[in-house]
Amino acid sequence: GAVVSQHPSWVICKSGTSVKIECRSLDFQATTMFWYRQFPKQSLMLMATSNEGSKATYEQGVEKDKFLINHASLTLSTLTVTSAHPEDSSFYICSARGGGDIDIQYFGAGTRLSVL
Amino acid sequence: GQNIDQPTEMTATEGAIVQINCTYQTSGFNGLFWYQQHAGEAPTFLSYNVLDGLEEKGRFSSFLSRSKGYSYLLLKELQMKDSASYLCAAVDSNYQLIWGAGTKLIIKP
Repeated sequence: GAVVSQHPSWVICKSGTSVKIECRSLDFQATTMFWYRQFPKQSLMLMATSNEGSKATYEQGVEKDKFLINHASLTLSTLTVTSAHPEDSSFYICSARGGGDIDIQYFGAGTRLSVL
Repeated sequence: GQNIDQPTEMTATEGAIVQINCTYQTSGFNGLFWYQQHAGEAPTFLSYNVLDGLEEKGRFSSFLSRSKGYSYLLLKELQMKDSASYLCAAVDSNYQLIWGAGTKLIIKP
């Protein structure tokens, strides 16, 4: 199956700093990438949808100035958590869609963010 | 509104069979996905159904009834490694995934 790489897998940072998370589709071109957030024992919460070369579409309640998304190419999307605070601590997961006739979302391994 | 319902938790015995149900209500429907998620890891794709009927893939099978807004995931010959959360997600008319909260499956020896 298609492979999506997400980096870093774990990050600890101080409050007020910014953190960048990368999501790459390794063996296919991703027409659309998605960013999710997941709290313990809860399901995935879609934060935003990004298409290559255009602005991301954010879900209601997600601050676009807080969570900056850049989809610079068909294989790379980045999520930057700006001025991170402890309440931003969570599991962030990206997924990429494309490369087949079924719109399967292939997920990265996730990034666990801990803000001190 | 759009809604996905699946049981919160299920318990089964190693070697047995378990069926995880999912009902959905969406604006339009373009298929249903099942994903497996182990604790602390990202979801992995299991199956996709868009037509009525049963799709079999090894020990795992997925069933869909569009008229009833119902799907199930059937796991046979359960192994300890099958302990995970199973996420049901329906595709709406805008091709957005509507996610269920997941069913935590506990396998006992």
